[in-house]
Formats: sequence, structure tokens, C-alpha cells
Amino acid sequence: SNELTQPPSVSVSPGQTASITCSGDILGDRSASWYQQKPGQSPMMVIYQDNKRPSGIPERFSGSNSGNIATLTISGTQAMDEADYYCQAWDTSGVVFGGGTKLTVL
Amino acid sequence: QVQLVQSGAEVKKPGASVKVSCKTSGYTFTNYYMHWVRQAPGQGLEWVGIIKTSAGSTTYAQKFQGRLTMTRDTSTSTVYMELSSLRSEDTAVYYCARRGSALGQDMDVWGNGTTVTVSS
Repeated sequence: SNELTQPPSVSVSPGQTASITCSGDILGDRSASWYQQKPGQSPMMVIYQDNKRPSGIPERFSGSNSGNIATLTISGTQAMDEADYYCQAWDTSGVVFGGGTKLTVL
Repeated sequence: QVQLVQSGAEVKKPGASVKVSCKTSGYTFTNYYMHWVRQAPGQGLEWVGIIKTSAGSTTYAQKFQGRLTMTRDTSTSTVYMELSSLRSEDTAVYYCARRGSALGQDMDVWGNGTTVTVSS
């Protein structure tokens, strides 16, 4: 199966650590990327190749991938991090996105 | 700086075709592949396909085979996505997104999106 499964929602208090998981068979031998999307905006890449941060992305964003589960971790979560987050990988059929996780900071 | 600027919103009737453009600047056009991704209202991201800008070769998601055409114009550094036989389920925001790396097929820069509405 080339599906990627994410929890629909995650809540976190300001300053705490948020973890968003993405599970799927294809993560066993493919790397994961993560995108942040705020309302009315285009998605923005925050993690690529499992754990690399693009230039300009704060250090509080980190990623890992182990045992068919990729995880996006946001340390010291801020109100501005409230957004939808999507994981992404690929296989021979093409690119696959997870269903998305709405992160609420409250 | 790297920019992907897409064409404006479109309203089409069922059965018609739509062609969306994505004009690039700030980098060497033929050095990067380009993905297309769509997002239906209130829904998640869906991969549409990818074009190798240097050669013009394409790979499409299975569900769009037969009604999707991606092209590019190297003289203007622009990529195009044309979807035919439109139906209401094609109503979505369509994004072009530059492929950052082959290893992850990730998307490091995104266009501003083009809203396509299919309605009779």
C-alpha cells in the first residue's frame, strides 16, 4: 500500500512540544518530507529527506523516520505554528501525501 | 529570489478544458523538475504529476491518465498544465511546486495557486 496515515488533529500548549506522526509502508525505504499550510496560503516545506531543514525554517522544527513511521516534532511550539501539516513520500506509482494534521496551539 | 507565479482563476463548464501556467524566475529553469499538486475545497493535497523541464518528459498520477497534459516553454521558463473533460470533482486550487531533490521528490518552492471552478 502507498498510503500515508496522519492523525486528523493534534493540540499543544504554547511552549510545549508537538509531535505529528505519519505512518505507511513506503516509509520503510523512502524518505519523508513535511509541509506547513496556513489558511489561504500555499504550502511551505519545513522538513525534507526525513530530517533536513530548508533555509529559513526555525530550529524548533525537526523530523525523524524509523520503522515505517515519520515524525515531525515542533519544540517550544508558538502560536504562529498553528496550521495544517502534511507528510509526503513517493514510490514507483508517484508522490503520496498524508491526509493532513491540523495543529492547534491553545 | 526564486518565484513561481501562476495564472489567474478559471471558471469552466463540465466537459471543457483548462490550461494553467506557472512562470518561473530566479533560478535555472531546466535544472529542476516541476510538480503539480491540487487541493479540493476543504481537502488535503493531491499529487497530479511531474515534468522534467529539460526534456519535457512527464509522469502523471494514474487517475489523470488520458486527460492531463503537462508542457513547458524553455524560452519563457514557464510550465503548463492542461486538464480536459473537466467534471465538478476537478474543482480545486492547482499548485505548481519545484522539485527540490530527486531523493525525496520533495517540493521546495510553491506557486501562488490557481483556483479552477467547474460548474454548469
